Amino acid sequence: DTEVTQTPKHLVMGMTNKKSLKCEQHMGHRAMYWYKQKAKKPPELMFVYSYEKLSINESVPSRFSPECPNSSLLNLHLHALQPEDSALYLCASSQLGVQETQYFGPGTRLLVL
Amino acid sequence: QQQVKQSPQSLIVQKGGISIINCAYENTAFDYFPWYQQFPGKGPALLIAIRPDVSEKKEGRFTISFNKSAKQFSLHIMDSQPGDSATYFCAASSQRGGADGLTFGKGTHLIIQP
Repeated sequence: DTEVTQTPKHLVMGMTNKKSLKCEQHMGHRAMYWYKQKAKKPPELMFVYSYEKLSINESVPSRFSPECPNSSLLNLHLHALQPEDSALYLCASSQLGVQETQYFGPGTRLLVL
Repeated sequence: QQQVKQSPQSLIVQKGGISIINCAYENTAFDYFPWYQQFPGKGPALLIAIRPDVSEKKEGRFTISFNKSAKQFSLHIMDSQPGDSATYFCAASSQRGGADGLTFGKGTHLIIQP
C-alpha cells in the first residue's frame, strides 16, 4: 500500500478563519512533507518533518503552522490566510536512508476568499 | 535561481511516437532524480527514478537517460498513448541519508494526439 490520504479534498475559507489540513500515511515512513502547488506550476516545498521533528522550513509565512503528532499524521494549521494562498496543498511521505521515493497524496484544493 | 531546468514547456506527439523531455541541473550535490506524472486535480505520481551511478534505466515504455558530466537527464516515453497525456515534472534531491525536499522542474504539458 503506497497511499497517502489527505482531508479535506476541498476547502473554502475567509481571511479571518482558522482551519487545518490533515495528512495520513501507514507505510511506516519517517519523513513527511508539505508542498504548495499553484496552477500550472510545480510543487514548492514548504516543510519537512523527519522523525516527527521539523527539519526543513522553507521560510514559509507564520500564518502556516505545521504539526506532526506522530509518525503517521501530519497537519497544516491555517490562520489569517491571504487570497494569494489559494492553491493545491500536497502532502508526501518517504522512507529514510534506504528508499527515498516520495509518495504524494491527492492534495487539498484551498480557496481563500 | 532555478536549480532544475526543464524543457520543453509543452509537447504534442502523435500516438505511437516517442515523447522526449529534458532536464538539466546545477547543484552537484543532487543524487536522486525522479520523474513524476500529474493528471489534472491529482497529486504527482512517481513514474521512474535514477541515481547518478547509472546512465540509463528502463521501466516498460519509460526510460531515463542520465549524463552526469553534462548534468542532464531525460525521459523517453516509447509508443506514446493518449492516456499518457499529462504534466510531467523532473525533480532532484540530495539525500545524504536524511530527508530532503524535492526541487522540481517547471513541468512539461504533454498531449498525445490519437
